[in-house]
Amino acid sequence: KNEVEQSPQNLTAQEGEFITINCSYSVGISALHWLQQHPGGGIVSLFMLSSGKKKHGRLIATINIQEKHSSLHITASHPRDSAVYICAVKAAGNKLTFGGGTRVLVKP
Amino acid sequence: DGGITQSPKYLFRKEGQNVTLSCEQNLNHDAMYWYRQDPGQGLRLIYYSQIVNDFQKGDIAEGYSVSREKKESFPLTVTSAQKNPTAFYLCASSTGTGETQYFGPGTRLLVL
Repeated sequence: KNEVEQSPQNLTAQEGEFITINCSYSVGISALHWLQQHPGGGIVSLFMLSSGKKKHGRLIATINIQEKHSSLHITASHPRDSAVYICAVKAAGNKLTFGGGTRVLVKP
Repeated sequence: DGGITQSPKYLFRKEGQNVTLSCEQNLNHDAMYWYRQDPGQGLRLIYYSQIVNDFQKGDIAEGYSVSREKKESFPLTVTSAQKNPTAFYLCASSTGTGETQYFGPGTRLLVL
């Protein structure tokens, strides 16, 4: 079993819809990261959080440490949000463990 | 412009050949990382370095080697011992391990 599981693996939405991506992990962590990978391969860090909620533009990330679960929400989705969204956790040691990613396609 | 660069964008390797992927950053970051990404899989850590002249093996280090002689540079050599090198390779850096990582654009390695 992977330490970091994301769901769904693939998601298709119509422009304007609210999107939720989930990340569950099985170990104690000190921080969780959400990353965005564009079709060309480049990766951008969206959030790093250890508790509560963070918001940046139309993106909202939440984490529940007790339930070992985080969600990434995209409000008013747009075709330019089409990308792979990756969850990664920092557990013991100095390394990140990555989920398999959620491929999001937003249709106009 | 601060950032992290990787070259080349595409690299072709013949059987039995060693190839070196370049990674340079001008962000003054202490930590640097190399990841491998295969289709449909998550990123896997090959090597990481927390400081100049020091590096540690990641989860899939076999068949790879690195050096960290300068703070800005962390080249990765894919040796002939790596039997399945075809993948997308990403380099990243951060101020410290566990902190937000900044990624390069990646190098796609193909075996001829």
